[in-house]
Amino acid sequence: EDQVTQSPEALRLQEGESSSLNCSYTVSGLRGLFWYRQDPGKGPEFLFTLYSAGEEKEKERLKATLTKKESFLHITAPKPEDSATYLCAVFGSSNTGKLIFGQGTTLQVKP
Amino acid sequence: DVKVTQSSRYLVKRTGEKVFLECVQDMDHENMFWYRQDPGLGLRLIYFSYDVKMKEKGDIPEGYSVSREKKERFSLILESASTNQTSMYLCASSFFQGYGYTFGSGTRLTVV
Repeated sequence: EDQVTQSPEALRLQEGESSSLNCSYTVSGLRGLFWYRQDPGKGPEFLFTLYSAGEEKEKERLKATLTKKESFLHITAPKPEDSATYLCAVFGSSNTGKLIFGQGTTLQVKP
Repeated sequence: DVKVTQSSRYLVKRTGEKVFLECVQDMDHENMFWYRQDPGLGLRLIYFSYDVKMKEKGDIPEGYSVSREKKERFSLILESASTNQTSMYLCASSFFQGYGYTFGSGTRLTVV
């Protein structure tokens, strides 16, 4: 069965303290891995799509990477406004169009 | 940018009421989805639709139904609201299978 596991569940950082969020996946025939950001009380907002191992995408302080078993979301010198829940999702060949979501990592960045 | 609009941000309904949650997307997307999101349980798929008048059950369809009469509109119906349906409801759409989703802002439903 396709599965996505994110770790840690929660992460507290000081402003400027870089770290990484992990997304481990088990899927038959990965066709895409997606990262979303969700602010409290709002819908998830798309960040990145990764399609193949070795691929990297960057946006401001965020960088997403992909291997055959996991993806990392690296946050460099985070600011308080980066505080949010980050969701990872995968689309595999058996998913029939549905993304499989992880539980998310809630990041809090303190000034 | 694609926009997914959910008709209400907050709703309060009474137990036993029939509740309609509306979702409209403006970019001719084929696929539309309804999720609920609860603390500790993550996003759970209720129903989805690949085309007009087509619907597929997700992981937790019990107590819900859907309607897609037009491509841009996907409605979620709670036939008889119960307190355990108090939740954040999220609508999403995607251009095609395997494309990323665009989410609406969510509807926070409270059933009393």
